[in-house]
Amino acid sequence: DAGVIQSPRHEVTEMGQEVTLRCKPISGHNSLFWYRQTMMRGLELLIYFNNNVPIDDSGMPEDRFSAKMPNASFSTLKIQPSEPRDSAVYFCASSAPRAGEETQYFGPGTRLLVL
Amino acid sequence: EDQVTQSPEALRLQEGESSSLNCSYTVSGLRGLFWYRQDPGKGPEFLFTLYSAGEEKEKERLKATLTKKESFLHITAPKPEDSATYLCAVHPRGTYKYIFGTGTRLKVLA
Repeated sequence: DAGVIQSPRHEVTEMGQEVTLRCKPISGHNSLFWYRQTMMRGLELLIYFNNNVPIDDSGMPEDRFSAKMPNASFSTLKIQPSEPRDSAVYFCASSAPRAGEETQYFGPGTRLLVL
Repeated sequence: EDQVTQSPEALRLQEGESSSLNCSYTVSGLRGLFWYRQDPGKGPEFLFTLYSAGEEKEKERLKATLTKKESFLHITAPKPEDSATYLCAVHPRGTYKYIFGTGTRLKVLA
């Protein structure tokens, strides 16, 4: 398996622009997580999907952030409009708890810099 | 409140100098404890899952152990390529959330 795939790997944008991050989970995994990692706060859970349905988005910082999972093999995290404080590394992770696979497997991350 | 604390924050070892990293946790019930390795510019890489007190797992120079209050990641005769940040996470019962510690930054000098 190719593991969790994320794109783009790096994104540099200007304040106010829309940013879309993409994730392809491991095939067969029905749980998907979006995290943000910064030096100050470490790994923060943004949103959790189970069977393509958003279960908990309480970690999403504000209305500028939105996430979708239209099918089992694709998810997006959108920031509109972006702000400099959104600069961080964004990770997607997937797991298959129903199949007894509790472990979350992480993608390589998207490094976002908002100028 | 569910909580994870890792210590030390940073650790420098000479090559071959064995040591242990600590992960203390407080949860109402533990479904699993996970260790990850994270290299600069990369995503966390899964190392071990531990489910119950007394359980141990090994992989090359690494050995993870679990008690009811903490987990240790023992590194035996480390090499420079073991340099990374090691993250601990707990999965409390009755929740989907994983609570991550802030990690231990390990540097192994040749």
